[in-house]
Formats: sequence, structure tokens, C-alpha cells
Amino acid sequence: QKEVEQDPGPLSVPEGAIVSLNCTYSNSAFQYFMWYRQYSRKGPELLMYTYSSGNKEDGRFTAQVDKSSKYISLFIRDSQPSDSATYLCAPLGGNKLIFGAGTRLAVHP
Amino acid sequence: DVKVTQSSRYLVKRTGEKVFLECVQDMDHENMFWYRQDPGLGLRLIYFSYDVKMKEKGDIPEGYSVSREKKERFSLILESASTNQTSMYLCASSLGQAGGPSTDTQYFGPGTRLTVL
Repeated sequence: QKEVEQDPGPLSVPEGAIVSLNCTYSNSAFQYFMWYRQYSRKGPELLMYTYSSGNKEDGRFTAQVDKSSKYISLFIRDSQPSDSATYLCAPLGGNKLIFGAGTRLAVHP
Repeated sequence: DVKVTQSSRYLVKRTGEKVFLECVQDMDHENMFWYRQDPGLGLRLIYFSYDVKMKEKGDIPEGYSVSREKKERFSLILESASTNQTSMYLCASSLGQAGGPSTDTQYFGPGTRLTVL
């Protein structure tokens, strides 16, 4: 079993939709959970992170962690074509990130 | 702004060649990482280094070696390239110290797409 499972998609939605991206993980010791965004032909860049359980909001993006079920979510409200990218969840294990496979998202006008 | 640069965006090599991928960061970061990224598999850690001349194996070190002679530079070496090493290679760096996201956020370079024929 992989430490982090993420559906690779692709996920295609119309502009303005609410998008839900999800991961599950197996190691209950993880405390920090990062989300990276990767545009085509670019390296990943940090989008946001959460600590332990709960929600964190940043503009149109909300990250959520449910430690009891080992479930990580990223919600995008009012999605835009510029949100089209691959989104990678990455729990922090010590000083290393454990990446999911990434979900490719396409937002069409 | 943290900047991580990689020596080539695209590289084509032949089977059996020795290949060097170079990565440089300009933020005095302690930790540096090499990943490969393949469709459906995500980012897999090849090697990382937490100090000059120090290195540790990641999840898939077979067929690779690394060198870190200077703090800002981390090289990935394919001793004898094979077709199954065709991939996107990403370098990253972080401040280090295992203090959580403020020090362990990784900053990535643009990647090198390596094709081995």
C-alpha cells in the first residue's frame, strides 16, 4: 500500500464550478499536510498547508484534514481556467515530503 | 525569492551513456532533493542531501548516484543510462531543520525532461 493515495484524474469541470481534490494517507504520525500546484512544463510550487486536523482557507482555496479517517481535501471555489494544473498532496514526514500521484485538473470556459 | 535552476530543460542521451544533471539553489538551503516524475506515479524521491558531502538514499536510488561538493549545488548522475530512466527529473531545496512547513517547504526547479534512446 502506498503511503499517500491520490486519484490521478483527469478531472474536467466548467468555469465557476466547485472542485474537490482528495488524498488518503496511511501514516497517522503525519502532522503537516501540504498542497502543491504544478502547471504544465513547470516545477511544483507550494499552494498552502494545514496543520493536524481542521480547515485552512486562502482566497478561493480551502484545505481540510480529517486525521481520524486519514483524509486530505482541497476545495477550489469559483474555479477559473487559470486553475488548470496538476495538484499534488504531500504530507510532511520528518524533513521529507511524501507526494501523492497528483490530480490533473482542467477548467474549461 | 528562492531560485532553483537546473542545467537543462530537455536532454536526449543514448543507452549506456553517463549522464549528469545539475541543480543549483541560491538561498543557502541545507537540504536538496532529486525526484523523478512519471505519469500515474507522482514524484518519487531518488536521493537527498542534508549537508555538503552528505547524502541519503530515497525510495528509488538504484541506477543513480549523487554528488554535493558545494552547498548550493547538487548533481544527479546516471552511471549508465537505460531506457527505463526516461523521465522528468525535478530538483528541490529546503531550508531544513525539520521545523515544519516554515523550514521544510521544498522549492522546485523547472525540471529536466530526459529521454534515453
